[in-house]
Amino acid sequence: NAGVTQTPKFRVLKTGQSMTLLCAQDMNHEYMYWYRQDPGMGLRLIHYSVGEGTTAKGEVPDGYNVSRLKKQNFLLGLESAAPSQTSVYFCASRPPEALGTQYFGPGTRLLVL
Amino acid sequence: ELKVEQNPLFLSMQEGKNYTIYCNYSTTSDRLYWYRQDPGKSLESLFVLLSNGAVKQEGRLMASLDTKARLSTLHITAAVHDLSATYFCAVLTGTASKLTFGTGTRLQVTL
Repeated sequence: NAGVTQTPKFRVLKTGQSMTLLCAQDMNHEYMYWYRQDPGMGLRLIHYSVGEGTTAKGEVPDGYNVSRLKKQNFLLGLESAAPSQTSVYFCASRPPEALGTQYFGPGTRLLVL
Repeated sequence: ELKVEQNPLFLSMQEGKNYTIYCNYSTTSDRLYWYRQDPGKSLESLFVLLSNGAVKQEGRLMASLDTKARLSTLHITAAVHDLSATYFCAVLTGTASKLTFGTGTRLQVTL
């Protein structure tokens, strides 16, 4: 099992460019999440999904869109990148059972110039 | 809105010493998680605390939960350098098992 994987690992964008971050999990988990991590602020939830074809907004959704067309993949899109979106992005997944913890991917480091 | 506060934010301690990290949260929750993050790495699950009075131990780390006080502690016994990392608590909130994270405690264990 690869667990949770993220692509790419690192990316530099210019302001206004667009990109898509890919999260894939091979654990057959229903729930998937996208977080951003900024210095001194912990992790903040951007969007999440409770199953294939569903998405919902988290704490900081503005400037991001997501899609969950397949159960194993959760895509995070930036339509027009801004310097404020410079961050480390983590994807996580978890099974629906009550005791399930979230399993995190390795992260994507994004720099917007 | 749920707020999760950790203190201290930074902790420098000598090997062999004991210390406690505190995690306070502002609304009712019946589940609390502790994670560890090494520099430049992802988050690793340490403990899941499910009920009031729960205590979990793994090696030199022991976590406890007091749901009435809305407080969890992570106690470090006889610290070693390998424990140097950032530790996050996270509280289960609302539907879809969303987590609200604390700001993290960066632990540095020195010789």
